[in-house]
Amino acid sequence: DSGVTQTPKHLITATGQRVTLRCSPRSGDLSVYWYQQSLDQGLQFLIQYYNGEERAKGNILERFSAQQFPDLHSELNLSSLELGDSALYFCASSAGTGGAADTQYFGPGTRLTVL
Amino acid sequence: AQSVTQLDSQVPVFEEAPVELRCNYSSSVSVYLFWYVQYPNQGLQLLLKYLSGSTLVESINGFEAEFNKSQTSFHLRKPSVHISDTAEYFCAVSEVNTGFQKLVFGTGTRLLVSP
Repeated sequence: DSGVTQTPKHLITATGQRVTLRCSPRSGDLSVYWYQQSLDQGLQFLIQYYNGEERAKGNILERFSAQQFPDLHSELNLSSLELGDSALYFCASSAGTGGAADTQYFGPGTRLTVL
Repeated sequence: AQSVTQLDSQVPVFEEAPVELRCNYSSSVSVYLFWYVQYPNQGLQLLLKYLSGSTLVESINGFEAEFNKSQTSFHLRKPSVHISDTAEYFCAVSEVNTGFQKLVFGTGTRLLVSP
């Protein structure tokens, strides 16, 4: 158990809908990262937050947004869902400064299925 | 931009045999290197990382990886594998000297250990 929790574990929804994925980092970790893992594109970095502020952006679609709240939990919002958004979404956290050398601790993931 | 190549999508091996999982990267700037492991139905866990210093890094469970700058490689080895090592292994890089961590992952190598 990494100490990172993600809810829900599974989510099934329809095209065009909007969903919110939630992540609670390890106690004390200030950085949160979001990743998408799919068969087509592999494991892709989406976005990083550090202490409430956006720190880095990856291949995140405009239909997707995220935020980190004052209690450090984070949410990833996915809207206007398409079939291709079906994937495993991971959250990770790290204890350092959020820099390049940090060790990331991954949650168990949320499996999103868009029908 | 960086890229990571893991040429072997799957590596079957017998228990107690040695194994090498290959990783090559491409980057115009210095990078840190990581190996993460994903056991079935779980999130990723850091296996080991190279930041600086000795080019040979070891993990607590018998894996080791050697950074070779001239060949831009970071191959993962274990002299004797166990059934429990069956998992997917991801090589990743992160650009040095940034205030953030954008991990770029390879496509993964599935290690299948049989009795």
